[in-house]
Amino acid sequence: AQKVTQAQTEISVVEKEDVTLDCVYETRDTTYYLFWYKQPPSGELVFLIRRNSFDEQNEISGRYSWNFQKSTSSFNFTITASQVVDSAVYFCALSGGNFGNEKLTFGTGTRLTIIP
Amino acid sequence: EAQVTQNPRYLITVTGKKLTVTCSQNMNHEYMSWYRQDPGLGLRQIYYSMNVEVTDKGDVPEGYKVSRKEKRNFPLILESPSPNQTSLYFCASSFSGTSPYEQYFGPGTRLTVT
Repeated sequence: AQKVTQAQTEISVVEKEDVTLDCVYETRDTTYYLFWYKQPPSGELVFLIRRNSFDEQNEISGRYSWNFQKSTSSFNFTITASQVVDSAVYFCALSGGNFGNEKLTFGTGTRLTIIP
Repeated sequence: EAQVTQNPRYLITVTGKKLTVTCSQNMNHEYMSWYRQDPGLGLRQIYYSMNVEVTDKGDVPEGYKVSRKEKRNFPLILESPSPNQTSLYFCASSFSGTSPYEQYFGPGTRLTVT
């Protein structure tokens, strides 16, 4: 069975601080994909990144960066120089299923509040 | 505009009254899925469909039905809703292939069952 753990339920930081959101996953699959989604206060779900299990390179996109470490089964997300617009609930998710791609298991989410 | 639409966006109903939440996508995606979001539980998959006439259970299918007669539509049916089905529901779609693509989510349907 697959599992995604986001141990940080809520985080608050002052604007311009850096913040890291943790994601730890469990799977027996050798090939799998990890995702991050953002849910702003308006409620929609926004895709941020997809990473496959064979690619452990860190990724940077503007102020966002992701650190994938297979050895610790973690896929952490860092926001540098946080802004109020970053306030949202962030979900980490893991793909799986018989075909490897039909089931998406989400973590319980981390609510991030950026204090102006 | 590429999008996933859901209707209704808000629904208050009573226990036992059958309801359908519609989901439609205009991106020619093969894969569609339904999730429910509850506080402290994140999103949990209810049902998914790999293509027309191909559906399967997710993690929390009890009390729900789905059908996929057309590629663009994937309605969620609650035959006899109960208060524990009060939740925020999301429909999602994506292309299907050997690797999972990112899913595009609808705006959500907030359902209250009294």
